[in-house]
Amino acid sequence: DAKTTQPPSMDCAEGRAANLPCNHSTISGNEYVYWYRQIHSQGPQYIIHGLKNNETNEMASLIITEDRKSSTLILPHATLRDTAVYYCIVPTNAGKSTFGDGTTLTVKP
Amino acid sequence: GAVVSQHPSWVICKSGTSVKIECRSLDFQATTMFWYRQFPKQSLMLMATSNEGSKATYEQGVEKDKFLINHASLTLSTLTVTSAHPEDSSFYICSARDLGGLAGTGELFFGEGSRLTVL
Repeated sequence: DAKTTQPPSMDCAEGRAANLPCNHSTISGNEYVYWYRQIHSQGPQYIIHGLKNNETNEMASLIITEDRKSSTLILPHATLRDTAVYYCIVPTNAGKSTFGDGTTLTVKP
Repeated sequence: GAVVSQHPSWVICKSGTSVKIECRSLDFQATTMFWYRQFPKQSLMLMATSNEGSKATYEQGVEKDKFLINHASLTLSTLTVTSAHPEDSSFYICSARDLGGLAGTGELFFGEGSRLTVL
C-alpha cells in the first residue's frame, strides 16, 4: 500500500477554508485516496475518497492532481469542531492501510 | 449506510487476565478485517489482517500468541489480548471494506475503537 506524507500541523481561522495537502507519489493506478479525521479517543471518521476526479460531499472537497501523486482536502468553512487530526491514506483493494502521522488541524476563533 | 461496530468501547482489566474485543460489520460481509493499535499522541499502527476462515496475518513485531485473532464468520472478527500487561494498554481499532456484490460501495469503514486499560 502506498505511503502518504502530510504536514504535521496547520492552523486555520474559523469560517475560512482549510486546505490540507497530502503526497502519495507511489499510488497505483487503481488505488483510491481516502481522508479520515480523528478526534480524541474516537475511531477515524470518514470524510471523503476519490480515484482521479475531484470529489465533493457535504463535509469537504477533494482535489486530486492529474498525475495522482498528491491531493488536497478542502474544508470550505472551518468550524471549531473541525479541530482534529486528519489522515490521508491509500488502502489496498482489500482495505489494508498504512497510516502516517496525519495533520493536526487547529481551527482558531 | 454500512458500519463497523466494536465492543466493548472500553475495558479495564487486571494484569495477567485476557480480554476479548469484538469487531462486527453491520449490513455487509467482510472476508477481511484489520486490527490497529494506537498509543496516546501516536498514529494508528496496523497489527494484523484478519481473514475469514483462515489464520490471521500479523505485522512484523506483533506477537501472534499474545494477540489472538479469530474471524469465524463473515461479519465478526475478535481480538483477544492474552495475559494482558500494563504496556498493552492502548486504543484498539478495527476496519473493514465493503466489497460485497453490486451494492458494495468499496468504502472503508473503521470501528469506534476499544480502549483497554490494564492495571
